[in-house]
Amino acid sequence: AQTIHQWPVAEIKAVGSPLSLGCTIKGKSSPNLYWYWQATGGTLQQLFYSITVGQVESVVQLNLSASRPKDDQFILSTEKLLLSHSGFYLCAWSPRDRDTLYFGAGTRLSVL
Amino acid sequence: GDSVTQTEGPVTLSEGTSLTVNCSYETKQYPTLFWYVQYPGEGPQLLFKVPKANEKGSNRGFEATYNKEATSFHLQKASVQESDSAVYYCAGNVGDNSKLIWGLGTSLVVNP
Repeated sequence: AQTIHQWPVAEIKAVGSPLSLGCTIKGKSSPNLYWYWQATGGTLQQLFYSITVGQVESVVQLNLSASRPKDDQFILSTEKLLLSHSGFYLCAWSPRDRDTLYFGAGTRLSVL
Repeated sequence: GDSVTQTEGPVTLSEGTSLTVNCSYETKQYPTLFWYVQYPGEGPQLLFKVPKANEKGSNRGFEATYNKEATSFHLQKASVQESDSAVYYCAGNVGDNSKLIWGLGTSLVVNP
């Protein structure tokens, strides 16, 4: 069975500090990978997606970047956090030939 | 552009009453339609999906019919329970697995 693990579970960071969030998918080769962001009480906003190692497409620019260094790993990062980066970050995967998304448990980020 | 519109929440119901959450889509092509559910502190999970017009999807007592003529996909449940309290998202996919079109979500609160 496939599993998706996000880390950390929660972060409290200062404005202007760097950030790195991670996501690992086990049990599925060559998945499509996605990063979503959700403001508190808000809707789902897709940030990035990747269909293969080393290839990441940006959907919305929020002064964030993403990378896929391995087939099963997706990283979200920024060098300087803004207050507006606070929220819930969700990693998701889908099979290459299917359209259903499977989400991780998310990372709660508070920027102070 | 393509869009999905759903009932604005929150929707507050008593246990045992019926639920309808409206969802309408506006897309250039016929989409595959989804209902996702997000429980507090978790990532969304698929409730069910319907790829073809005039077919019905169902799961855990929830159901929705893909109505091509009305461009709708309303979520219904005959008798809600307190455990159904969550945010429900309607979404559509028009063939590009890289991007789902999401509704804004409908928060459901079921009181005992």
